[in-house]
Amino acid sequence: AQSVTQLGSHVSVSEGALVLLRCNYSSSVPPYLFWYVQYPNQGLQLLLKYTTGATLVKGINGFEAEFKKSETSFHLTKPSAHMSDAAEYFCAVSIGPSSASKIIFGSGTRLSIRP
Amino acid sequence: GAVVSQHPSRVICKSGTSVKIECRSLDFQATTMFWYRQFPKQSLMLMATSNEGSKATYEQGVEKDKFLINHASLTLSTLTVTSAHPEDSSFYICSARDQGQQMNTEAFFGQGTRLTVV
Repeated sequence: AQSVTQLGSHVSVSEGALVLLRCNYSSSVPPYLFWYVQYPNQGLQLLLKYTTGATLVKGINGFEAEFKKSETSFHLTKPSAHMSDAAEYFCAVSIGPSSASKIIFGSGTRLSIRP
Repeated sequence: GAVVSQHPSRVICKSGTSVKIECRSLDFQATTMFWYRQFPKQSLMLMATSNEGSKATYEQGVEKDKFLINHASLTLSTLTVTSAHPEDSSFYICSARDQGQQMNTEAFFGQGTRLTVV
């Protein structure tokens, strides 16, 4: 069965520093991977996704992630953190090849930005 | 991107009453919608998959008689929390994928419903 593990429930970085949020997945078939961001009391917004093709995926707000099959990882990075990046981040994997496929979420990582 | 509208955003109800939450895809059709529950500072737990015109598929451990799901059209799914109790208080989020797009596009999420049972 597919699953997602996010290492670190809370990450704190200084403004302007590198952001690295870790995600490892388990899947018996080629995975479809996503990163979502959630602000307090709101739904989820897609940051980026990997389906097929290029393994380095660029998303919104300067975020990017690299799919590494050998490491079963899909870590999220941003070169320079901004105060507005403070939020909850979820890595997710899609099960199955159709639009009816479930999306399973990791436990989430809360990102804090220090001034 | 596509928009999923969820209503209400916040509801307070008395213990023992039922509450209905609506999830609408505004500019696309969705034969399948998903309902999640999120406890404070926790991840989203998939409760059920809502299927247009047929019965919902519930995840293990989710009471189907407690959480009634109806997906009567290609743009609307509803979740009814029946005989609500304080332990049902939570943040409920729906999502949907655009069936007109290629397989495995991202899911679009509603803004969530904060349910408080008093």
